[in-house]
Amino acid sequence: KNQVEQSPQSLIILEGKNCTLQCNYTVSPFSNLRWYKQDTGRGPVSLTIMTFSENTKSNGRYTATLDADTKQSSLHITASQLSDSASYICVVSRNNRLAFGKGNQVVVIP
Amino acid sequence: EAQVTQNPRYLITVTGKKLTVTCSQNMNHEYMSWYRQDPGLGLRQIYYSMNVEVTDKGDVPEGYKVSRKEKRNFPLILESPSPNQTSLYFCASSLQSSGRSYEQYFGPGTRLTVT
Repeated sequence: KNQVEQSPQSLIILEGKNCTLQCNYTVSPFSNLRWYKQDTGRGPVSLTIMTFSENTKSNGRYTATLDADTKQSSLHITASQLSDSASYICVVSRNNRLAFGKGNQVVVIP
Repeated sequence: EAQVTQNPRYLITVTGKKLTVTCSQNMNHEYMSWYRQDPGLGLRQIYYSMNVEVTDKGDVPEGYKVSRKEKRNFPLILESPSPNQTSLYFCASSLQSSGRSYEQYFGPGTRLTVT
């Protein structure tokens, strides 16, 4: 069973709208939780990194939250742009190893 | 420019023909790692290296070898490639291990097809 589950698998949103992506994990304890953005055919790019003691971290229009008690994280995209179309991957780190979610595929349409 | 480079970017080969995918970083990072990405499975770690001459298996190491003789280079070796190793491969590096909150930088990817 995958240790990191993301939902929804895919979604389509209108340009300018907000959206929230969910990540549930079972890895415990963990060192940090990361969100990456991956454009099609390219390597992932780091958006946020949070330790278990942090609740929120922002990077421009991207805001990640973490609830270590419920083992849930979310990534909120504000005022989406066409360039936000990508896969967003949740990653949990433990013991020098990374457990990857399968990603949320986001498509932003004009 | 700080970056992780991989070569080749695309490779088509035949079953059993040994190949090496090179990975190099210019950021003096200690930690380097190899991943493969397959549709519906996401990214999976193959091998990682904490520093020179220190390597360890990830989640899917079967059929792969690595070496870390220099800090900047971390080649991935497929001694006898098979079709199930057809995949998109990424190399990544970070200042220290992923257990620390250091950003991990990914290379551009190598698309390998084994026929």
